[in-house]
Amino acid sequence: NAGVTQTPKFQVLKTGQSMTLQCAQDMNHEYMSWYRQDPGMGLRLIHYSVGAGITDQGEVPNGYNVSRSTTEDFPLRLLSAAPSQTSVYFCASSTKGGGQETQYFGPGTRLLVL
Amino acid sequence: GQQVMQIPQYQHVQEGEDFTTYCNSSTTLSNIQWYKQRPGGHPVFLIQLVKSGEVKKQKRLTFQFGEAKKNSSLHITATQTTDVGTYFCAGRSSGYSTLTFGKGTMLLVSP
Repeated sequence: NAGVTQTPKFQVLKTGQSMTLQCAQDMNHEYMSWYRQDPGMGLRLIHYSVGAGITDQGEVPNGYNVSRSTTEDFPLRLLSAAPSQTSVYFCASSTKGGGQETQYFGPGTRLLVL
Repeated sequence: GQQVMQIPQYQHVQEGEDFTTYCNSSTTLSNIQWYKQRPGGHPVFLIQLVKSGEVKKQKRLTFQFGEAKKNSSLHITATQTTDVGTYFCAGRSSGYSTLTFGKGTMLLVSP
């Protein structure tokens, strides 16, 4: 199993550009999440999904869209990039059930918005 | 909303010294997880605690969950250079809510 994969690894955008960060998992996990990590801020939840066709907002959803058309894929879309969205983005997946799921993280996408 | 505070933010120790990081939640947790992130890497799951007063050990690492299920700690005995990284706690306030991460404790170990 590849686990959780993310593409691209690095990206530079100009303010106002849009892009999609890709995330895929091959563990048949129902739960998937997107986090951003900024220095001194820990991991903050952007959006999450409890299954195909179901998504919900996390702590910092503004400026981001998600969709979950399949169990495997959970892309994160930046609608109009801003310098404040410069960050490291992690996708994570976990099994569903009992509130005791372990999250498996992808390698991350490092995004710089100029 | 739920807040998870973690202290210290940073600690620098000499190899062989002990290290402890503490996690405190503003609400009672159903469970708490600990993750380690190496520099430049991604968070990796270490352990989950569920029961009040639970203590779990992994070699030199000891994890505790408080009696009130609002605090937790990670203690590393005799640190090694391989322990370098940032340690995060993450708590869940109910069985099906999302995880809230602390800001992490960065550990630096000098040989």
